[in-house]
Amino acid sequence: NAGVTQTPKFRILKIGQSMTLQCAQDMNHNYMYWYRQDPGMGLKLIYYSVGAGITDKGEVPNGYNVSRSTTEDFPLRLELAAPSQTSVYFCASSLSRVEPYEQYFGPGTRLTVT
Amino acid sequence: AQKVTQAQTEISVVEKEDVTLDCVYETRDTTYYLFWYKQPPSGELVFLIRRNSFDEQNEISGRYSWNFQKSTSSFNFTITASQVVDSAVYFCALNSNYQLIWGAGTKLIIKP
Repeated sequence: NAGVTQTPKFRILKIGQSMTLQCAQDMNHNYMYWYRQDPGMGLKLIYYSVGAGITDKGEVPNGYNVSRSTTEDFPLRLELAAPSQTSVYFCASSLSRVEPYEQYFGPGTRLTVT
Repeated sequence: AQKVTQAQTEISVVEKEDVTLDCVYETRDTTYYLFWYKQPPSGELVFLIRRNSFDEQNEISGRYSWNFQKSTSSFNFTITASQVVDSAVYFCALNSNYQLIWGAGTKLIIKP
């Protein structure tokens, strides 16, 4: 199993550009999450999904969009990038909501917006 | 409100010392779960432990141990005989429904 994979690992965007961060998991997990981690801080939830076709906002959703067309994939879209979106982005997945199992994380994408 | 506080921003100890990382949480839920994750300098997040609110037994895994006390809303993490490889940022997190509420993390530096 590859676990949770994310691409790209690094990206530099100019203000106003758009991009999609890719996330995939091969563990057949229903739950998937996108977090951002600002320097010296904990993780903040951007969006999450409880299954294909179902997504919902987390704590800091503004400026982002997600879709979940398959169980495996959960891309995060940044529209009109702003310097405030400079951060490390982590995708995670977990088995079930019935009992909150641990979340498995991808390696992260380091994004800089200049 | 759900909240996790890790008051120790950074701890520095010499190798082989014992060190305890504090975690204090706030929740109105009667059933909840607490987690510890490790983030080494390479940046990935590594799951360490999950504990539910009904299980107050302390847990030991090798040099790692966890002390869960509902009376003080704390879930502290102790590393015994620390090693340089333990250097990392450690996060405590609280499960609230399907979301994890994260502390700000404690950076642990183990000096040789």
